[in-house]
Amino acid sequence: QVQLHQSGPRLVKPSQSLSLTCAISGDSVSSNSAAWNWIRQSPSRGLEWLGRTYYRSKWYNDYAISVKGRITVNPDTSRNEFSLQLNSVTPEDTAVYYCARDSGHTADYWGQGTLVTVSS
Amino acid sequence: DVVMTQSPLSLPVTLGQPASISCRSSQSLVHSDGNTYLTWFQQRPGQSPRRLIYKVSNRDSGVPDRFTGSGSGTDFTLKITRVEAEDVGVYYCMQSTHWPHYTFGQGTKLEIK
Repeated sequence: QVQLHQSGPRLVKPSQSLSLTCAISGDSVSSNSAAWNWIRQSPSRGLEWLGRTYYRSKWYNDYAISVKGRITVNPDTSRNEFSLQLNSVTPEDTAVYYCARDSGHTADYWGQGTLVTVSS
Repeated sequence: DVVMTQSPLSLPVTLGQPASISCRSSQSLVHSDGNTYLTWFQQRPGQSPRRLIYKVSNRDSGVPDRFTGSGSGTDFTLKITRVEAEDVGVYYCMQSTHWPHYTFGQGTKLEIK
């Protein structure tokens, strides 16, 4: 059974960086058949895919155009987890952030969600 | 970008009655590998989305058989044969044919009349 457990600060100041980590159990971040995603949810934007990392003989990343230039998703193979960093945040980045596994070309397992508030 | 449009956005249903949610995509969701990557999620209040149906009509393990997915191309439907109290929540469709981007519908809020 795959489980994803998120951690990270819930309050971030404007212009600073948001950082979250997703710890994986029951699968490997280096799996050749999975991809590891960050998705956020807010009343104004609904569910919005942000980016992913995956391994297919080498590491790849894909990012949404809406956050490209501000986002980094990194794997940590030693801890079997992956992370999200979103720079230069504004109040519009306030949302519930989820990590999720993609297997078979669709998201199947999700983390518990983290409400991150951007406020001074 | 592919746009996913759900209807209705609000769905009041009497217990034991059927319910139906429509999801339309702005482009065909048939992938070059022949599969159609259309997924349905249920999100109960205060919880993470839970996958119910993948590749249009494949029910996930543990999902009651009163949930059925159907459709093709750009037109898809989630049906609940007899609504139960535990079905209250918001239902989302999502496309993942056009990788790497997932695109979600706006959500349909199911409530008991």
